[in-house]
Amino acid sequence: AQKVTQAQTEISVVEKEDVTLDCVYETRDTTYYLFWYKQPPSGELVFLIRRNSFDEQNEISGRYSWNFQKSTSSFNFTITASQVVDSAVYFCALSEAYGGSQGNLIFGKGTKLSVKP
Amino acid sequence: DVKVTQSSRYLVKRTGEKVFLECVQDMDHENMFWYRQDPGLGLRLIYFSYDVKMKEKGDIPEGYSVSREKKERFSLILESASTNQTSMYLCASRRLAGAREQYFGPGTRLTVT
Repeated sequence: AQKVTQAQTEISVVEKEDVTLDCVYETRDTTYYLFWYKQPPSGELVFLIRRNSFDEQNEISGRYSWNFQKSTSSFNFTITASQVVDSAVYFCALSEAYGGSQGNLIFGKGTKLSVKP
Repeated sequence: DVKVTQSSRYLVKRTGEKVFLECVQDMDHENMFWYRQDPGLGLRLIYFSYDVKMKEKGDIPEGYSVSREKKERFSLILESASTNQTSMYLCASRRLAGAREQYFGPGTRLTVT
């Protein structure tokens, strides 16, 4: 069965701290895709990144970095030197190439990040 | 840039009313989706569509129907709104092939009184 778990419901940090958001997934497919989305208070989900199961290279984009480890079925997201504008709910999601979910996104419950000045 | 728009940001309806939520995307995407988002429950898929006039039930289709007469437009219909349908409704679209990320609209916060 496919599943995405974000164990951290809420995290609060002070500006300039680094913060890591955890994501653990379950799937039987060998081909799958992992995503992170950001949902600011305005409500719209903003796509941040996609990784496919064959590419375990970590990725860095500015203050954001992602660590994909198949051995632990994890796809963690780190924000370096956090800013108040990073305050949002962050969702991790999984899409299977051939599984029963018909390629649709399976979302975790989200982690609410609050960055205080 | 992909743009997904939804007809209303906020909507207040009365119990028993028929409600239409409209979604339009401008990127010629084949797939479109409707989700609802509730505190503690995350995002749940209501219906999706692979192409014009095609629709598939998601995880929670009860009480909803959809319509896709044109490729760019996907409508969610609440035949007889009930208070337990008070929620945030999010529309998304995606290409059929290639990149699998979905692009979301700004959401409609529906209150049924």
